Amino acid sequence: GAGVSQSPSNKVTEKGKDVELRCDPISGHTALYWYRQSLGQGLEFLIYFQGNSAPDKSGLPSDRFSAERTGGSVSTLTIQRTQQEDSAVYLCASSAQGQPQHFGDGTRLSIL
Amino acid sequence: AQRVTQPEKLLSVFKGAPVELKCNYSYSGSPELFWYVQYSRQRLQLLLRHISRESIKGFTADLNKGETSFHLKKPFAQEEDSAMYYCALSHNAGNNRKLIWGLGTSLAVNP
Repeated sequence: GAGVSQSPSNKVTEKGKDVELRCDPISGHTALYWYRQSLGQGLEFLIYFQGNSAPDKSGLPSDRFSAERTGGSVSTLTIQRTQQEDSAVYLCASSAQGQPQHFGDGTRLSIL
Repeated sequence: AQRVTQPEKLLSVFKGAPVELKCNYSYSGSPELFWYVQYSRQRLQLLLRHISRESIKGFTADLNKGETSFHLKKPFAQEEDSAMYYCALSHNAGNNRKLIWGLGTSLAVNP
């Protein structure tokens, strides 16, 4: 595809359920980032993947959050036992080395 | 602490007026500065990066290391400039270029 693709675009789930968010980066981009945009909080970094290197997980807010990137391409962000404070827009970005990040449309997650 | 500050949540100007969106940063190192823009119902997209030193859609931004600022300017605002503008920084070396963001400024250009 031409850009970063994220799915689903919207997700509504009940508190306590697990959710999986998917990101398909631009082909050939070795770096992949997840960010979260919460109301009133702005954008915050969650996790970074680069090739086969160990990911930078320093932005994950709790151990309920995890992410993986299979085969250096598609990434999945998983949130276990969701809480209402997890409601946010989750953005994925990819980049070629040293180049600016390109963003997807995001997944709007709502926890009831 | 690493921080990006955009002091204005909302900026409203008339078409044809000059516009300046302010951005200040705090960073212990040598950062790379960016402006990203999000138009209504569109995804975040890069507007400017300081190392490119170029003008996009009439916007310019100069990195002032003494004042730790990277203000975005346009001499004559257009209605189509109405959008959310985010200032962000990253480390300027190495592979991990995670972005630290300001809270954004909503620009409204009135006819």
